Amino acid sequence: DAGVIQSPRHEVTEMGQEVTLRCKPISGHNSLFWYRQTMMRGLELLIYFNNNVPIDDSGMPEDRFSAKMPNASFSTLKIQPSEPRDSAVYFCASSSRTGVQPQHFGDGTRLSIL
Amino acid sequence: GDSVTQMEGPVTLSEEAFLTINCTYTATGYPSLFWYVQYPGEGLQLLLKATKADDKGSNKGFEATYRKETTSFHLEKGSVQVSDSAVYFCALSGQGAQKLVFGQGTRLTINP
Repeated sequence: DAGVIQSPRHEVTEMGQEVTLRCKPISGHNSLFWYRQTMMRGLELLIYFNNNVPIDDSGMPEDRFSAKMPNASFSTLKIQPSEPRDSAVYFCASSSRTGVQPQHFGDGTRLSIL
Repeated sequence: GDSVTQMEGPVTLSEEAFLTINCTYTATGYPSLFWYVQYPGEGLQLLLKATKADDKGSNKGFEATYRKETTSFHLEKGSVQVSDSAVYFCALSGQGAQKLVFGQGTRLTINP
């Protein structure tokens, strides 16, 4: 079975540019999570969705960040405009809401803002 | 709020040594507890979990027991291998909650 698929795996762009990260969750999973990982701050939850609806976006750092989930099989995380401090590895994870189910992570997008 | 505190790394051991990575938590009610492992260049993978007090999670020779009286979920392995080198994260999800709260991670290096 395919796991969580993220694209691109690596992104290098200049400060001020728009960045779009993409995620395809595991089929049948109805919860989706976006995380950011840095050496300084560790793993931070940015936002999560249940059944395509954003439930908690309290971790989104500022208005430059936005996330959407137009359908059950696709989500995007957008940064506009990007800044060097946004450089990090961004992970998407999905899970089923039934019972206590673990989150399944993608391999991440390594983002570098120059 | 809920929180997880892990043993600070990095931890370096020789192959076949005994491993313990300490994890303690603060949470109300009865959280579920998890250990995740992250290999270089990859996302986190679930290693094991426990959903109620005194449960023991186990996988690939790793074990952890949910101890409510000491609010702990320490990870152990009797004989580590070079392939166990990775970053290990302890995490919890609050009772009825979906969000995971992660510890800061412990980098483990096993030397041959």
